[in-house]
Amino acid sequence: GQQLNQSPQSMFIQEGEDVSMNCTSSSIFNTWLWYKQDPGEGPVLLIALYKAGELTSNGRLTAQFGITRKDSFLNISASIPSDVGIYFCAGQLGGAQKLVFGQGTRLTINP
Amino acid sequence: GAGVSQSPSNKVTEKGKDVELRCDPISGHTALYWYRQRLGQGLEFLIYFQGNSAPDKSGLPSDRFSAERTGESVSTLTIQRTQQEDSAVYLCASSWAPGQGAFFGQGTRLTVV
Repeated sequence: GQQLNQSPQSMFIQEGEDVSMNCTSSSIFNTWLWYKQDPGEGPVLLIALYKAGELTSNGRLTAQFGITRKDSFLNISASIPSDVGIYFCAGQLGGAQKLVFGQGTRLTINP
Repeated sequence: GAGVSQSPSNKVTEKGKDVELRCDPISGHTALYWYRQRLGQGLEFLIYFQGNSAPDKSGLPSDRFSAERTGESVSTLTIQRTQQEDSAVYLCASSWAPGQGAFFGQGTRLTVV
């Protein structure tokens, strides 16, 4: 079945550092999404990507839809304490297909 | 409301009882998803509704789980004869069209005692 491999599983960084995480799959996806989840909350959509090669920014966040359509990355620049949380990637093969989620990357920031 | 609304926010039930969880999607959103998230874990797909198409039920873990959606409105997820292993947060999400970004509700935290 469709599976997403998200890495790293966890990151411990200093405030101000840049962060990079990625998702890969053996399946081709038409949509890639990145979410952030805070404790006790539902995931919040950060960036949506709909075209191979697309590079999209949202403030300090930048995400790219891989050319092969089998991968995506998310970068966070100049991390701040409120960036702490769990980041999930999600992919969708097509409109008739479910959203498949990665296992998540837990980001911890040392002040 | 502006976002996806789920109720109740918390539910404690005795083992063996039935529970019904409700999701009100964003108005006009045609796609609706249910996921389960156990403590410290990722999102486990349960069921996907898209317009009037037959739902994708491939993620429902057993026949104790069922879900309904009337048109493009509210959805209910029912768990019959609850077991302790059903304890989790149940998340609902909706998107305005197939393949578009989905927006999540706050979830329903279910505890089976």
